[in-house]
Amino acid sequence: KQEVTQIPAALSVPEGENLVLNCSFTDSAIYNLQWFRQDPGKGLTSLLLIQSSQREQTSGRLNASLDKSSGRSTLYIAASQPGDSATYLCAVGAGANSKLTFGKGITLSVRP
Amino acid sequence: NAGVTQTPKFRILKIGQSMTLQCTQDMNHNYMYWYRQDPGMGLKLIYYSVGAGITDKGEVPNGYNVSRSTTEDFPLRLELAAPSQTSVYFCASSFGTLTGWETQYFGPGTRLLVL
Repeated sequence: KQEVTQIPAALSVPEGENLVLNCSFTDSAIYNLQWFRQDPGKGLTSLLLIQSSQREQTSGRLNASLDKSSGRSTLYIAASQPGDSATYLCAVGAGANSKLTFGKGITLSVRP
Repeated sequence: NAGVTQTPKFRILKIGQSMTLQCTQDMNHNYMYWYRQDPGMGLKLIYYSVGAGITDKGEVPNGYNVSRSTTEDFPLRLELAAPSQTSVYFCASSFGTLTGWETQYFGPGTRLLVL
């Protein structure tokens, strides 16, 4: 059974800092890996998707990497801003039915 | 496009009552999913569907039922509400392209409280 772990559960950083959010998974036979953002009381918004054959994806100040062999992914946020404050969830996709297994998320607070 | 819509936004149920959570998507996605999210936890898959008339259980299906009669709609039914079903429920949809590029689009969620 796939298990996805995100540590720490919460993180507080000053504005402008570059930061890395970590995600680990137990089964390397994945279809893809996605990073989502969730604002309080809201649904999830997809940030980046890395297909299993890729190593990384970039969107603006965000960069996600994938190392299947070690079962790890990182989300790099450059020059953090207060608007980046949210919960970031990592999800691993397995199989043709696109089912996702989620981590518990990391709640990020960026202090002005 | 409205994307994925869910109704109601919030509901209080008494133990033993039943209700249906509605989910509709207008993106012509063939895959649809129901998740529940408990405080401090990730999302857990309840049921999913790969097309009209086809549904399958996810990780936590007990106490729930689904149907998929159209591409657009995927309602979730709670027959005998229990306090353990207090949660936030999210519906999601995606294209089933079998390429690994399928991202899921989520609705805003339904907050359910069972007392």
